Amino acid sequence: DQQVKQNSPSLSVQEGRISILNCDYTNSMFDYFLWYKKYPAEGPTFLISISSIKDKNEDGRFTVFLNKSAKHLSLHIVPSQPGDSAVYFCAASDTGTASKLTFGTGTRLQVTL
Amino acid sequence: KAGVTQTPRYLIKTRGQQVTLSCSPISGHRSVSWYQQTPGQGLQFLFEYFSETQRNKGNFPGRFSGRQFSNSRSEMNVSTLELGDSALYLCASSLTPDGGTQYFGPGTRLLVL
Repeated sequence: DQQVKQNSPSLSVQEGRISILNCDYTNSMFDYFLWYKKYPAEGPTFLISISSIKDKNEDGRFTVFLNKSAKHLSLHIVPSQPGDSAVYFCAASDTGTASKLTFGTGTRLQVTL
Repeated sequence: KAGVTQTPRYLIKTRGQQVTLSCSPISGHRSVSWYQQTPGQGLQFLFEYFSETQRNKGNFPGRFSGRQFSNSRSEMNVSTLELGDSALYLCASSLTPDGGTQYFGPGTRLLVL
């Protein structure tokens, strides 16, 4: 069973606009969430994380929102840049840390000029 | 500082053979995790090692095993290879299991014929 789901396999956004990537999870034991970006032929690169005790975390252009009651998190990228074009994975852990991660299936973001 | 390195980068094996993959973590990192990425299942956690001890294990059959050496380098072994073992195998390292970002290597792409 897929405990972490990214229902949109792809997303296209114009440069300068906001990109919103969504992720849903089913396991209520998850208490730490992360977003990774992946380019072809490279391993995932950590972007931003959030603990279940928070509902928002910001880092530059990236903001992650967590809605525990809905078991939903989202990543906002503002403004979107062409270099943001990649596959984005959300991941979750029940250890309170970035350990033993359960990943979603990924969303391919394309930022167009 | 050098990143996580994985060798070999590409590998072709036949069914029934065994394979050993190697991972060298970032200098100073003592925790190593392994993940399998396939088109159908996405990124799945295999196991995690810290101080030469396996801390966590994912839901994979006993054909998948690993170990960590005193210098924190890690190997994973897959015995009696099956076609379904064809995947990208990713290694990630962090300072400790309970803290710090996981940094991923580029992966080893295994093809089983």
